[in-house]
Amino acid sequence: GAVVSQHPSWVICKSGTSVKIECRSLDFQATTMFWYRQFPKQSLMLMATSNEGSKATYEQGVEKDKFLINHASLTLSTLTVTSAHPEDSSFYICSARGFVAGGIQETQYFGPGTRLLVL
Amino acid sequence: GENVEQHPSTLSVQEGDSAVIKCTYSDSASNYFPWYKQELGKRPQLIIDIRSNVGEKKDQRIAVTLNKTAKHFSLHITETQPEDSAVYFCAASIKSPGSARQLTFGSGTQLTVLP
Repeated sequence: GAVVSQHPSWVICKSGTSVKIECRSLDFQATTMFWYRQFPKQSLMLMATSNEGSKATYEQGVEKDKFLINHASLTLSTLTVTSAHPEDSSFYICSARGFVAGGIQETQYFGPGTRLLVL
Repeated sequence: GENVEQHPSTLSVQEGDSAVIKCTYSDSASNYFPWYKQELGKRPQLIIDIRSNVGEKKDQRIAVTLNKTAKHFSLHITETQPEDSAVYFCAASIKSPGSARQLTFGSGTQLTVLP
């Protein structure tokens, strides 16, 4: 399958600081990238959808000024958690959708996730 | 919007037995139904998917069935092995003109295969 990388894999930060998470599609161009949040023993909750070069579309209840998304290219999207608080502690997973080499239909692949702990 | 319900939330089977996980969806316009396997602390991995023009799809020990009339789809794992133990998520999505396909996930099923 296609490869989606995410960096960092885990981060611990103090309350009030900002954290940037990078998501890259390594072997295909992602027409769309998604950011999810997953709390322990819960399902994946979509936070926002972004297309290269355009503003992200945020899901209801997700603050766009707090979770800044930049989809700089067809292979890179970043999520910045601004002024992080303990309740932002979670597992953040990105996902990239596109046509993988040899594929005839778009498929969605997930990054390995970033575990964020805000103290 | 789309709503996906998944059952059961936990499932324990003996090694070698079959496991079945069921999902229902609400939006009849949904046309793509992937299944993901997620091991603890790791990324969801696509294991099989089915599109609305197909009623059944099989890949070795894994099969998925889709009933569009009833708006439900199921994952079947035969000859289960301990390494099948994980959380499984179903999802449904719609591709609307001019917008990106978005996945709506079920709540997950913790499958435990007992040796």
